[in-house]
Amino acid sequence: EDKVVQSPLSLVVHEGDTVTLNCSYEVTNFRSLLWYKQEKKAPTFLFMLTSSGIEKKSGRLSSILDKKELFSILNITATQTGDSAVYLCAVDANAGKSTFGDGTTLTVKP
Amino acid sequence: GAGVSQSPSNKVTEKGKDVELRCDPISGHTALYWYRQSLGQGLEFLIYFQGNSAPDKSGLPSDRFSAERTGGSVSTLTIQRTQQEDSAVYLCASSPSGSTGELFFGEGSRLTVL
Repeated sequence: EDKVVQSPLSLVVHEGDTVTLNCSYEVTNFRSLLWYKQEKKAPTFLFMLTSSGIEKKSGRLSSILDKKELFSILNITATQTGDSAVYLCAVDANAGKSTFGDGTTLTVKP
Repeated sequence: GAGVSQSPSNKVTEKGKDVELRCDPISGHTALYWYRQSLGQGLEFLIYFQGNSAPDKSGLPSDRFSAERTGGSVSTLTIQRTQQEDSAVYLCASSPSGSTGELFFGEGSRLTVL
């Protein structure tokens, strides 16, 4: 059974801090790993990673994948209150059927 | 429409009643997914439609759950004889091809079974 584990489950930081969110996986037929941000209802796409060692970057967010050690990290630098959300990691390993982790709830305090 | 549309946004029902949840995917997207999210949990895969292929129903938790997709577009998720443990947010997503890549999610239907 495909498995995705995220850590920590929750995190509270202050504005300006840097955070690292972790995602490890055990799947067969890995195709891609995706990060989503869920603020209230609909998750919104952040990154898709398919190759090891290549950093994807968007503003203050960046992510990298290690296919040998089977994990990915999502970094957020200079956090803002608007970064408060649930961050979901998903692995696409089976014909488009993504397996999601339980998410990391990030709270950024002013 | 511009995005994935789901209805109703909220549904409160009594235990034992049937419910239908509707999803209208982004026009042209051939892949459609249903996920369930319980409070504080990640997304649990339910069912996946890709074009005219037989759906992948491997995530449906019991035979009380069924889904159909008419004309390759709108999908309906039906839950018969609802139970309290069915209470959750039901999220629908679509993608252009389903081969790989990002999913575009709707706002979800929050189901509460009393």
